[in-house]
Amino acid sequence: EAAVTQSPRSKVAVTGGKVTLSCHQTNNHDYMYWYRQDTGHGLRLIHYSYVADSTEKGDIPDGYKASRPSQENFSLILELASLSQTAVYFCASSDAKGWGGQDTQYFGPGTRLLVL
Amino acid sequence: QQQVRQSPQSLTVWEGETAILNCSYENSAFDYFPWYQQFPGEGPALLISILSVSDKKEDGRFTIFFNKREKKLSLHIADSQPGDSATYFCAASKGYPGGYKVVFGSGTRLLVSP
Repeated sequence: EAAVTQSPRSKVAVTGGKVTLSCHQTNNHDYMYWYRQDTGHGLRLIHYSYVADSTEKGDIPDGYKASRPSQENFSLILELASLSQTAVYFCASSDAKGWGGQDTQYFGPGTRLLVL
Repeated sequence: QQQVRQSPQSLTVWEGETAILNCSYENSAFDYFPWYQQFPGEGPALLISILSVSDKKEDGRFTIFFNKREKKLSLHIADSQPGDSATYFCAASKGYPGGYKVVFGSGTRLLVSP
């Protein structure tokens, strides 16, 4: 049973349009993350959240918003989609029980976004 | 100071050979180094990890060698199998009160030819 699911799995959007990517986890984890993956750049952190109703900026937050309405759900919002936001987006969750950094991230299957 | 570098970008080995994937980092505060394996069309999944207090970690055919002084580590995949063909991400992590920071490398795409 997949513990982190994402929807949609793929999407084509128009430049300037609004895009919402959704993520749902059943791991009972406090932390959730949004990454984008581009060839040659690996995984880059966009936003993350460690508690419902609160989000934090990651390394590349510009052009993206995030929403964490509950522990299980975390959304990534592109208010004005641009060509440069074409990428694969991954959601992840983790326990992050405390400091020490010895934590495993559990990733969803990804959403392939194409902005035209 | 937050970068994690991986080499090579892509690697092809024959079935049965040992594949060696390299990783280096800049920030000496990183103390935990997980490797993630990603198959096409899927999300990354944790493969093996090492703490900075260790210099070697084995799990079956997968071994991490860690050199703290040089800030380098490598993933060795012994007796490589076609099913090992995937992209491998090295990551570096450090904790702080209330959370932690993790940085991913750009990945090495491994192809194992039968």
